[in-house]
Amino acid sequence: EADIYQTPRYLVIGTGKKITLECSQTMGHDKMYWYQQDPGMELHLIHYSYGVNSTEKGDLSSESTVSRIRTEHFPLTLESARPSHTSQYLCASKWDGEDSPLHFGNGTRLTVT
Amino acid sequence: AQSVTQLDSHVSVSEGTPVLLRCNYSSSYSPSLFWYVQHPNKGLQLLLKYTSAATLVKGINGFEAEFKKSETSFHLTKPSAHMSDAAEYFCVVSDQSDGNKLVFGAGTILRVKS
Repeated sequence: EADIYQTPRYLVIGTGKKITLECSQTMGHDKMYWYQQDPGMELHLIHYSYGVNSTEKGDLSSESTVSRIRTEHFPLTLESARPSHTSQYLCASKWDGEDSPLHFGNGTRLTVT
Repeated sequence: AQSVTQLDSHVSVSEGTPVLLRCNYSSSYSPSLFWYVQHPNKGLQLLLKYTSAATLVKGINGFEAEFKKSETSFHLTKPSAHMSDAAEYFCVVSDQSDGNKLVFGAGTILRVKS
């Protein structure tokens, strides 16, 4: 059973709208991540955070922004959605340490029309 | 930088036959390695992880993987495929410069025929 929750699961929205994808975890993990995944493709890291008030851009350039005001909450925001933002967005978290695995939410599938 | 190569983008097996999903990594040290499974419209679930304790790692649902340093491989196997194993599988390695960042392979889609 997932201890990391993403809402909404599916979102269809028009071009130019501002959207926020929610991600919350109840495990007390310091490390949190956002990945972007196109159908049948690998995961690309777009943002990560190693603690409150700490955020970094990932390996894939993204027009989205994130915030980390509380340990358990790591929302992702798109100020002006475009069709090129259509994708699946996966949130994950973990304990510190390279042998600590990632725990994933079920994802948000975003379609921008 | 670390990299992960999953040698097959698609693998098709019959139900009840063995599964082999191949993964090679590049690293100048012994990293942590993971296999994840993703069923349609779901997030990723951890199958197993290698963290230098034992080279043969057993995971959930009958899967196991063997770490071979000389071959820089971490292949995933299962003796007998089940229909419910049909999914996408990702091999993952910890990044050498930042162990809290993980590098994902491109994924292998496993199809199980009845």
